[in-house]
Amino acid sequence: QSALTQPASVSGSPGQSITISCTGTSSDVGGYKYVSWYQQHPGKAPKLMIYDVNNRPSGVPDRFSGSKSGNTASLTISGLQAEDEADYYCSSYTTNSTRVFGGGTKLTVL
Amino acid sequence: EVQLLESGGGLVQPGGSLRLSCAASGLSFSSYAMNWVRQAPGKGLEWVSIISGSGVTTYYADSVKGRFTISRDNSKNTLYLQMNSLRAEDTAVYYCAKDRVTAAGTGGYFDYWGQGTLATVSS
Repeated sequence: QSALTQPASVSGSPGQSITISCTGTSSDVGGYKYVSWYQQHPGKAPKLMIYDVNNRPSGVPDRFSGSKSGNTASLTISGLQAEDEADYYCSSYTTNSTRVFGGGTKLTVL
Repeated sequence: EVQLLESGGGLVQPGGSLRLSCAASGLSFSSYAMNWVRQAPGKGLEWVSIISGSGVTTYYADSVKGRFTISRDNSKNTLYLQMNSLRAEDTAVYYCAKDRVTAAGTGGYFDYWGQGTLATVSS
């Protein structure tokens, strides 16, 4: 049950686009469509942003999008806004019927 | 509106036990699998355990297997986590999180989260 690999930090200016990667194996990310992404502001509970690789829950801006290629999933945020500054985590279902998170990525809006 | 409210956290000595609870409202509780996810101070999220809607099927992270037990009482709309043989590395905020699916052995995601309860293991 090794954690999925995410970059520790990414940054971008308002209005720009950024992409956060999430790399696993064929036993998790690569093997299933069950990749999800969560946003967490300091001191707050995580919030679901993307599910099943590329689906957005109601209320999540369409600036957030997800994709997957092989064992790597990605979260893209376009038109960066100050309120997007937060920690982002990916998660995947695994062959052991368990779940696994990535190590998290801190997004800084410059 | 779905609401999840955790309780039961606190300070416990290494080797001790703690029982966390998560009271759910605003949903058909037995229709959904439920999870525990933890976050050590200043660290990332770690999935801990899942239980099916019926309570029959459970899965655990290797780091807690054999020490933690997840359970639920659907008549009380409450999820539990019994934590035994606690270690310093179990110190974390523990979140309960509703799953999208009913069965624990299928893919899902965490669509609602509680605010968490802090468990501190220290002498």
